[in-house]
Amino acid sequence: SYVLTQPPSVSLAPGETATITCGGDNIRTKSVHWYQQRPGQAPVLVMYYDSDRPSGIPERFSGFNSGNTATLTISRVEAGDEADYYCQVWDGKSDHVVFGGGTTLTVL
Amino acid sequence: EVQLLESGGKLVQSGGSLRLSCEASGFVFRNFGMSWVRQAPGKGLEWVAVFYTGGSGIYYADSVRGRFTMSRDDSKNTVHLQMNSLRAEDTAVYFCARKGDFDTSGFFGDYWGQGTRVTVSS
Repeated sequence: SYVLTQPPSVSLAPGETATITCGGDNIRTKSVHWYQQRPGQAPVLVMYYDSDRPSGIPERFSGFNSGNTATLTISRVEAGDEADYYCQVWDGKSDHVVFGGGTTLTVL
Repeated sequence: EVQLLESGGKLVQSGGSLRLSCEASGFVFRNFGMSWVRQAPGKGLEWVAVFYTGGSGIYYADSVRGRFTMSRDDSKNTVHLQMNSLRAEDTAVYFCARKGDFDTSGFFGDYWGQGTRVTVSS
């Protein structure tokens, strides 16, 4: 089955740029979607089809997908961005939705 | 405003059954695929099942196939998850999510409910 690998955690200071990676075999051939989940809350879609932002998501959020790695970049990180972030793809070979293990973003 | 409201979660004994529901409002329900995603305590998101529109199919995670059944009632804007032969490892918050586009394959969830908690005692 298809596997997505994310770093468990990313920590940085306010105003810095966060880069959250999502690794998968030839992931560039798949559409990658990203979710933000704050503690005790439901996931929120922050990026879809690699680099499309839903309405209401700040322009500070951007996405890219190439080779074996997709990335979610959050510029000028704020305290309110602290959350778990999950990447997700559809694996057409198995007809399965696949989530990465999640990355906890901490703003110091 | 799109809203998804899950219900039906509770404490159940191992081997038991439970039926979850997700009532949708604020959009033309029959036009959208729907999915269930769960999250065990302190763990990440785990996909459970997806139900496409137009008879395009229902797909299940390997961990639940044969035990869980997803259904939808377009007349009531509701999807259900019938869970049988429950195990301790099925303990989780169960979210329903709307598929974000009209394609009859693939998935991303553009709207999510707040979840319903299922606890399976062993």
